[in-house]
Amino acid sequence: EVQLVESGGGLGQPGGSLRLSCEVSGFTFNNYAMSWVRQAPGKGPEWVADVSGTGLSTYYADSVKGRFTISRDNSKNTVYLQMNSLRGDDTAVYYCAKVPGPYFFDFWGRGTLVTVSS
Amino acid sequence: EIVMTQSPATLSVSPGERATLSCRASQSVSNNLAWYQQKPGQAPRLLISGASTRATGIPARFSGSGSGTEFTLTISSLQSEDFAVYFCQQYNNWPPTFGQGTTVEIK
Repeated sequence: EVQLVESGGGLGQPGGSLRLSCEVSGFTFNNYAMSWVRQAPGKGPEWVADVSGTGLSTYYADSVKGRFTISRDNSKNTVYLQMNSLRGDDTAVYYCAKVPGPYFFDFWGRGTLVTVSS
Repeated sequence: EIVMTQSPATLSVSPGERATLSCRASQSVSNNLAWYQQKPGQAPRLLISGASTRATGIPARFSGSGSGTEFTLTISSLQSEDFAVYFCQQYNNWPPTFGQGTTVEIK
């Protein structure tokens, strides 16, 4: 059974930092790219960042480029999202999601809530 | 980036009836279109990829059609567990983008 479990969300200060983690099981982790997708309250999902199976290639939405860093540790079956210079519009539920090849998302975690507020 | 527009925003349907949801892309995405279902407090669940291919375990009452810029998700006979929000997503162009969703509610 495929499982993705996010952690690390919570209250962040404007200009501050948070680090999200997503531990996965149930598939050969290093064979697949992984993404972070966020969803602000009442809005549609927004793709945030992607990391290739090897971890050597990363891609970012313009809204987070230069502030967020995605990475992975294939020995721990875990993908990370380092979030710096947080802003109010980063407030959302953050999901990690598996990318089967083409860029849709076949498995998602339950999400972790990030709230940016002073 | 490609803008995905879903209509209607809310669809009121009685159990057992047919529901038809629309998704329009601001430019052609070929058949690189996915549909997701999301229930309150839950993650999105993949229903369909490639515009018409059901994901593993998705009931046959869910069907997708369309190509280019116009797509449809049809639920042939709504069950109680189908009342949810549905999103479309294109993956033909970078970055992948989602629609704002259609809420299917009980009439």
